[in-house]
Amino acid sequence: ELKVEQNPLFLSMQEGKNYTIYCNYSTTSDRLYWYRQDPGKSLESLFVLLSNGAVKQEGRLMASLDTKARLSTLHITAAVHDLSATYFCAVDRRYAGNQFYFGTGTSLTVIP
Amino acid sequence: DTGVSQNPRHKITKRGQNVTFRCDPISEHNRLYWYRQTLGQGPEFLTYFQNEAQLEKSRLLSDRFSAERPKGSFSTLEIQRTEQGDSAMYLCASSSPTGRKRDTEAFFGQGTRLTVV
Repeated sequence: ELKVEQNPLFLSMQEGKNYTIYCNYSTTSDRLYWYRQDPGKSLESLFVLLSNGAVKQEGRLMASLDTKARLSTLHITAAVHDLSATYFCAVDRRYAGNQFYFGTGTSLTVIP
Repeated sequence: DTGVSQNPRHKITKRGQNVTFRCDPISEHNRLYWYRQTLGQGPEFLTYFQNEAQLEKSRLLSDRFSAERPKGSFSTLEIQRTEQGDSAMYLCASSSPTGRKRDTEAFFGQGTRLTVV
């Protein structure tokens, strides 16, 4: 079974600081997704990474994918309070539809 | 296009009752997924449809759970004889994969929060 692990599970950081969230997965997959979830809300798609070496950036967030290491990172630059949320990575099984396997999430709190 | 729509948003039911949730996907999407999310966890896959065909079901989907997508548009998820352990957020998502990898992105609805008392 495909397993997805994120770390850290909880992250408290000050505004203006940088930090990286890590996502490791256990079996071959070449499609990785990052989602954001605010409390009580659904999941908002942030990034779709489709190939080894893919890097995408949106505002203060940058995501990358290393399929050989089975690792994706979500880097936060100069954090602001609005980024406080839970971030999930998800992978799907290669050649097997869109059954996403989600990590347990990283709960990010940005402190003013 | 208003995205993926789910209703009801909240449902409180007594243990042993049956409940049914509805999901309306993005209109041009042919794939539809159901996930369950409990507090502090990531969503867990339950089942998915391509058009009206239910192609895969998770082991989490016990025989008390049934999902349908009769005309390949909206879908319903029914839970019979609800148990307290069924309390969770039930999320629906849709996607429209084509030959291009780009289209594998799934869009999620707001979810239905079920509380079994």
